[in-house]
Amino acid sequence: DAGVIQSPRHEVTEMGQEVTLRCKPISGHDYLFWYRQTMMRGLELLIYFNNNVPIDDSGMPEDRFSAKMPNASFSTLKIQPSEPRDSAVYFCASSFRLLQETQYFGPGTRLLVL
Amino acid sequence: RKEVEQDPGPFNVPEGATVAFNCTYSNSASQSFFWYRQDCRKEPKLLMSVYSSGNEDGRFTAQLNRASQYISLLIRDSKLSDSATYLCVVILKAGGFKTIFGAGTRLFVKA
Repeated sequence: DAGVIQSPRHEVTEMGQEVTLRCKPISGHDYLFWYRQTMMRGLELLIYFNNNVPIDDSGMPEDRFSAKMPNASFSTLKIQPSEPRDSAVYFCASSFRLLQETQYFGPGTRLLVL
Repeated sequence: RKEVEQDPGPFNVPEGATVAFNCTYSNSASQSFFWYRQDCRKEPKLLMSVYSSGNEDGRFTAQLNRASQYISLLIRDSKLSDSATYLCVVILKAGGFKTIFGAGTRLFVKA
């Protein structure tokens, strides 16, 4: 199994630009999670999906952030417009179940907004 | 107060030492508990789940104390390769389910 795949691995953009992060979960996993990691705030859950449906987006910092999961094998996290404080590592993870179940993380996307 | 708290460390220990980390959680609705390991500039990976009865995996032992609301991780016979950040993870039921990561404890094992 290829594991969780994320693209791009690195993104450098200018403030105000739109950023789209992509994720392909492990096949057969029903849950998909988007996290953000910074030195100051650690690893934070932004949103998670179950069977392609967003379940909890309370961690999404503001309206500039949006996430979609059009099918079981693809999800996007979009930031529009981006700001320097959005600079972080964004991880996607997937799992078969929610409780007592390993979340498998992708390698992350390192985002730098100048 | 943070929902999941860990001592950030760093813990600096010699090879072969035994080291223990604690993690406290504030919400009694917490239902699932895990320890993840994160190497520098890498993604987190599951180290072990934590069960009420406690569980062991080789040199690693995890325990849960629901009454005092903490979980622990014990590493015996530390190896250089154990150097990493150890993240405490709690899944709690609050409306829906929330996955909360602790800030992590850094461990350096030295020769």
